[in-house]
Amino acid sequence: AQSVAQPEDQVNVAEGNPLTVKCTYSVSGNPYLFWYVQYPNRGLQFLLKYITGDNLVKGSYGFEAEFNKSQTSFHLKKPSALVSDSALYFCAVRDRYNFNKFYFGSGTKLNVKP
Amino acid sequence: DGGITQSPKYLFRKEGQNVTLSCEQNLNHDAMYWYRQDPGQGLRLIYYSQIVNDFQKGDIAEGYSVSREKKESFPLTVTSAQKNPTAFYLCAVGWAGGYTGELFFGEGSRLTVL
Repeated sequence: AQSVAQPEDQVNVAEGNPLTVKCTYSVSGNPYLFWYVQYPNRGLQFLLKYITGDNLVKGSYGFEAEFNKSQTSFHLKKPSALVSDSALYFCAVRDRYNFNKFYFGSGTKLNVKP
Repeated sequence: DGGITQSPKYLFRKEGQNVTLSCEQNLNHDAMYWYRQDPGQGLRLIYYSQIVNDFQKGDIAEGYSVSREKKESFPLTVTSAQKNPTAFYLCAVGWAGGYTGELFFGEGSRLTVL
């Protein structure tokens, strides 16, 4: 079965500091991994994805993610957090056998304090 | 203006009533999806459709129904059989037949049962 886990319900970071939001996955074969962000009462916005190639993926709003096959992780990172980054972040994996299915993590709430 | 339009944004329903949530897109994507979001549980797939006049059950289809009479529209009906319908409902679209594409989400509809 395909799945992702976000081990932290909440991450707190001070503005200007680097941030990391963790995601681990469990898939058979090569994973197709995604990060989304959600602001209150809004839909999800796509940030970035890993399909193949370079393990460091760059995305929108200065975010990047590092794919680590040996640790089965796909952590979201940003060198310098902004207060406006405060939101709910979701990691997702696409099912290799039914590409209509995405499996989402439970979400991590990022709080960036001024 | 291109995008995905969900309506209504907020909806209140009495127990025993059916309600229909609208999802319209002009992105020309073939595949459309309905997800349910509950706090702390991530997103769960209700129904999806790859082409007109065809749709498939997702992981939590009981108590819901859909139709896909045209490419642009994929309405979701929450029936009285759904035991716990209060939730945030998200419509998404994507390319059918590809593993690498991301989903694009609407702004969501929040249903509250009184």
